[in-house]
Amino acid sequence: AQSVTQLGSHVSVSEGALVLLRCNYSSSVPPYLFWYVQYPNQGLQLLLKYTSAATLVKGINGFEAEFKKSETSFHLTKPSAHMSDAAEYFCAVSENTGFQKLVFGTGTRLLVSP
Amino acid sequence: DARVTQTPRHKVTEMGQEVTMRCQPILGHNTVFWYRQTMMQGLELLAYFRNRAPLDDSGMPKDRFSAEMPDATLATLKIQPSEPRDSAVYFCASGPGTGSGNTIYFGEGSWLTVV
Repeated sequence: AQSVTQLGSHVSVSEGALVLLRCNYSSSVPPYLFWYVQYPNQGLQLLLKYTSAATLVKGINGFEAEFKKSETSFHLTKPSAHMSDAAEYFCAVSENTGFQKLVFGTGTRLLVSP
Repeated sequence: DARVTQTPRHKVTEMGQEVTMRCQPILGHNTVFWYRQTMMQGLELLAYFRNRAPLDDSGMPKDRFSAEMPDATLATLKIQPSEPRDSAVYFCASGPGTGSGNTIYFGEGSWLTVV
């Protein structure tokens, strides 16, 4: 069964610092991987996705993620954090079976301090 | 700007009452999902429809929950009777096709409190 593990329920950074949110996946077939962001009292919004094209994926708001098959990882990064990046981030996996069923990680709350 | 629309946004109800949540998927999307989000369990998939037919509702408690798509523009999630443990945010999401890499778009959620 497919699953994702997000290390760290909370990550704190200073404004301007590097953001690194970790995600490891488990899948029996080549996966599709997603990062979603949830701002307070809102739904989930897609940041970026990996669908077996380029392993380095660029998303919105300056975020990017790199698919590393050897490490079964899909970590999310941003070179310089903004206060507006404070939110909850979810990694999700979908198996390449023709179905869009997403399995989500437990989420990582990003805190950004001035 | 196409979006998934959910109603009600907030609902407080008493234990034992029936609750119905509604979702209008993005026009042209043929897959619809219901997710539940709680602090303890995170995001759980409750039900999944394609072309209005239920494909997977294994995550849904069958005794009190039901999900339907009366037509292509409306999905409903019903809880009867409601219990305090059903307090959660319920998200509807829709997608444009059967490809696993297609993006799923989420509504803003229905925040349910059962007292």
